[in-house]
Formats: sequence, structure tokens, C-alpha cells
Amino acid sequence: GAVVSQHPSRVICKSGTSVKIECRSLDFQATTMFWYRQFPKQSLMLMATSNEGSKATYEQGVEKDKFLINHASLTLSTLTVTSAHPEDSSFYICSAKREYEQYFGPGTRLTVT
Amino acid sequence: GQQVMQIPQYQHVQEGEDFTTYCNSSTTLSNIQWYKQRPGGHPVFLIQLVKSGEVKKQKRLTFQFGEAKKNSSLHITATQTTDVGTYFCARETSGSRLTFGEGTQLTVNP
Repeated sequence: GAVVSQHPSRVICKSGTSVKIECRSLDFQATTMFWYRQFPKQSLMLMATSNEGSKATYEQGVEKDKFLINHASLTLSTLTVTSAHPEDSSFYICSAKREYEQYFGPGTRLTVT
Repeated sequence: GQQVMQIPQYQHVQEGEDFTTYCNSSTTLSNIQWYKQRPGGHPVFLIQLVKSGEVKKQKRLTFQFGEAKKNSSLHITATQTTDVGTYFCARETSGSRLTFGEGTQLTVNP
């Protein structure tokens, strides 16, 4: 089946710094990828849609200047959390759609100290 | 609005018992998808239902889509410890965006 990878799997950073998370589709091309955030014991919340070659589309309430998304190729999307704060600590998961099925990456656990 | 309500939030069963989780929407759904997330893992696609009244089976799992396309259910027969995890329903909206239900966390006592 299709595989989506994420890097890093875990990251700890200090408050005020920026963190970049990569999402790759390993065996298929994805013109669209999605970024989700999941807090402990909660559901997944869609943050934004990453579009190859164009600007990302952000969900209501998500700060586009804080969560920078770049989809530079058909297999790579990056999410940069800028000026991270402890409240940004969460599980960030990307997904890519192939035909009718969404494939999720293994997630990145971000801890901001 | 676009939300899907899912119940129950938690379910604890003895191994061998059945389990059901329900998903409800106030608006008609174009389709409903089901995912399983193991503890510490990521969501894994289980199935997509599209047709009114559709019933699909995967071994011990039975998925139903209501006649009005506003509700769905996932039923597991004779649970096993490998069934442990959180089960999410999700509705797909424009641009293939997914809105997830709150999930049902299943624990199975051996």
C-alpha cells in the first residue's frame, strides 16, 4: 500500500524557536497533502491543505503566519511551526490522498519547553 | 454545521464481547469514512461508505451507512485484544478535507 513518511518523529525545542516537519509520499505523487493536529485524548483537527505549487489553504482559526506550509514537489510538504510556544506542543500528522483513500504519516510529536 | 458526533467516547469490553460505535450528522453526508488509531500510532483507513443503506463487512467488522446518509455505525463481533484503539468516523468535504468525529476509545480486557 501507499506509504507516507514524516520526519522527525519526535522533536523537543525551546520556546521562541522554529521547527520544520517534513511529510513525504514515498511511492506515489500527491498534489494535495493535509496537515492535522491532535492533542492528547482528542480527535484530529485539520489545520490546512497543502497544494503543490501554490499557497496552502488554512482552516478557520489557524494562523498562516505561524504555521508555514510549503509544498515544493509532488512528494514533499513541509510544516514549519514558527516562534513555537508550549501551547503548540502537540502531535502533528500529515496525510495524502491516493484515489479515494487517505494515507496518514506516522506523526511528529512536538514538545516546546 | 460540518461536525460529526460520535458516541460513546469510551467503551470497555471483555474479550469476546461485541462493540459498536455510532456516528451522527445533522446534515446529509456525501460519504463517511472510518479509521482506526492504535495507541501511539496514526490513523489507518478502514473503509469508505457512499451509498444510502450500505452495509460492508471486513471479517469481524460490519460498517453501516444510514438510509438518510446522516448516520453510520461500526460493529465489531467477538472483540479481540488486537482490536484495542480509537475508532474515528470522518466526513469528507470539499477538496477531500476530512472532519473527524471525537472518536471512540476501545479497551479490551483479556
